[in-house]
Amino acid sequence: DIQMTQSPSSLSASVGDRVTITCRANQGINNYLNWYQQKPGRAPKLLIYAASNLQSGVPSRFSGSGSGADFTLTVSSLQPEDFATYYCQQTYGIPRTFGQGTKVDVK
Amino acid sequence: QVQLQQSGPGLVKPSQTLSLTCAISGDSVSSNTAAWNWIRQSPSKGLEWVGRTYYRSNWYNDYAASVKSRITINADTSKNQFSLQLKSVTPEDTAVYFCTRATVVTGILYAFDIWGQGTMVTVSS
Repeated sequence: DIQMTQSPSSLSASVGDRVTITCRANQGINNYLNWYQQKPGRAPKLLIYAASNLQSGVPSRFSGSGSGADFTLTVSSLQPEDFATYYCQQTYGIPRTFGQGTKVDVK
Repeated sequence: QVQLQQSGPGLVKPSQTLSLTCAISGDSVSSNTAAWNWIRQSPSKGLEWVGRTYYRSNWYNDYAASVKSRITINADTSKNQFSLQLKSVTPEDTAVYFCTRATVVTGILYAFDIWGQGTMVTVSS
């Protein structure tokens, strides 16, 4: 199985901050990497697909980069509605696997 | 607008079978560009993909190794839905279960773009 490791596991930030989350695969996965946002009691929501493509309707303050085994999700200016948990997910192999999540909370 | 509506019991006794259904609106379970998945989430294991079914001239299934001996995912084309059956459950199967659509977003790359509302399933006597 492809193992996905996110860092940090949690972070505290303020509205307006630039936030960066990293995700590393234990093997190369090209750009077969998606990012999701999840709020308590809700299903995950697709933010970024193919490492750097913004899903329709997602604000442009979200961006993704990376290829191979190392990836980054950046929120350029954190908004109140962005406090949530973020997950990376590889779509290179079966089984599909997720990172353990990064919880972004209020500083 | 594609929507997935989950149904099924929230409490299952140990050794019994967990059964959930996901009704699809706005898309077809027989779509050639989608796969229909079940994902579960628990505090101990996080988000865990458990399996999928998809149609590409024939029906195919893939299952996670952790549940492969106990799981069946079926599509019902007459009702445009798919289902999860997990046999011989234990408390370790307690989780929120989500049905999801994986669709081709670019090239041959899939993403889980549509999710059901989630069902909390507790395995307890």
